[in-house]
Amino acid sequence: AQSVTQLDSQVPVFEEAPVELRCNYSSSVSVYLFWYVQYPNQGLQLLLKYLSGSTLVESINGFEAEFNKSQTSFHLRKPSVHISDTAEYFCAVNRRGSEKLVFGKGTKLTVNP
Amino acid sequence: DTAVSQTPKYLVTQMGNDKSIKCEQNLGHDTMYWYKQDSKKFLKIMFSYNNKELIINETVPNRFSPKSPDKAHLNLHINSLELGDSAVYFCASSRDTYEQYFGPGTRLTVT
Repeated sequence: AQSVTQLDSQVPVFEEAPVELRCNYSSSVSVYLFWYVQYPNQGLQLLLKYLSGSTLVESINGFEAEFNKSQTSFHLRKPSVHISDTAEYFCAVNRRGSEKLVFGKGTKLTVNP
Repeated sequence: DTAVSQTPKYLVTQMGNDKSIKCEQNLGHDTMYWYKQDSKKFLKIMFSYNNKELIINETVPNRFSPKSPDKAHLNLHINSLELGDSAVYFCASSRDTYEQYFGPGTRLTVT
């Protein structure tokens, strides 16, 4: 069975600072990896995904994540955050060929002025 | 155009009542899901349907019954509501087993 660990439950940062949200997964088989973002009182939006190919994936709003198979990690990074990035971020994994998406417990990113 | 929609957005009801939440997707996806997000924001899959056929049922009480009249709709009916059912319920859909697209959620409060 797959599992996901998000090492930080809360990450406070100042505006324009870099940020890294950590995600480690456990699986004995090949997986797909995802980051979802949930803004206050809203649903989940897909931020970026790793299905295959290049291990570095990017989103349209400046976030990137790198799949590291040896460390079983999929950390999310942004070089300079904005106030509007304040949200809950969820890492998720599913076994290739499976519909079951397993989520981490989320990391609350708070960007302060 | 809304890709995955849910109604209602908010639902406040008393213990013991029966309620339904509706979900529709216009993405042409074959698979639909129901998730529960608890007060600590933890997300857990409840059900998954592929082409109207149940494929995942995650140890959910029998009081919860999903119904898929066609592959664009997946409704959730809950009987005899309990306080512990209070949560945000999300519907999602996907093509095959790739990324899932989520609806806006239904906040259920049982008093």
